[in-house]
Amino acid sequence: QQQVKQSPQSLIVQKGGISIINCAYENTAFDYFPWYQQFPGKGPALLIAIRPDVSEKKEGRFTISFNKSAKQFSLHIMDSQPGDSATYFCAARRRGSTLGRLYFGRGTQLTVWP
Amino acid sequence: DGGITQSPKYLFRKEGQNVTLSCEQNLNHDAMYWYRQDPGQGLRLIYYSQIVNDFQKGDIAEGYSVSREKKESFPLTVTSAQKNPTAFYLCATLNYRGLLTEAFFGQGTRLTVV
Repeated sequence: QQQVKQSPQSLIVQKGGISIINCAYENTAFDYFPWYQQFPGKGPALLIAIRPDVSEKKEGRFTISFNKSAKQFSLHIMDSQPGDSATYFCAARRRGSTLGRLYFGRGTQLTVWP
Repeated sequence: DGGITQSPKYLFRKEGQNVTLSCEQNLNHDAMYWYRQDPGQGLRLIYYSQIVNDFQKGDIAEGYSVSREKKESFPLTVTSAQKNPTAFYLCATLNYRGLLTEAFFGQGTRLTVV
């Protein structure tokens, strides 16, 4: 059973466009939502993260929007660049789980055309 | 250089053989994880360990075994009981920093059954 549902599975965007990746969850015990970026042949790396007490977090061209009532969060990549082409994973952590696991979505393969 | 070292980068296994994937970290993190990555499947948790000499099964532990004799090392053995072992394997540590949890990943080992 997938704890975090991610869509779309793949996304093609033109250079300069906005890339939007969505994630949804059911478990209200989740209290931390990171996004990871993975380039081919490499391990994922933390991109940006949000806690549910804020509705939006922005770091450069990357923004997380969080809707607590809908139990959804999304990653927006503004002015998408070919170098952003990678696989993106959303994830969630349960409240009170310090060294416990992160639950990952299935990933979105983003391709940005020049 | 602080980080996670996985070896080898590529590994070929004959049917019926056991193989061991190495994961070493010098980040001084307590928690270590093994994930399996297949196209469209995301990151699936195999085993994790929060402390030396203790580990827990993840979602797809069948056909795999681990040990955690030292804090720095968390090797994964893919046994002959794993029917479809061809995949990209990722080792990770988890660092809890107050309200945040960050996973650090190695560069991965690509295992192919020949």
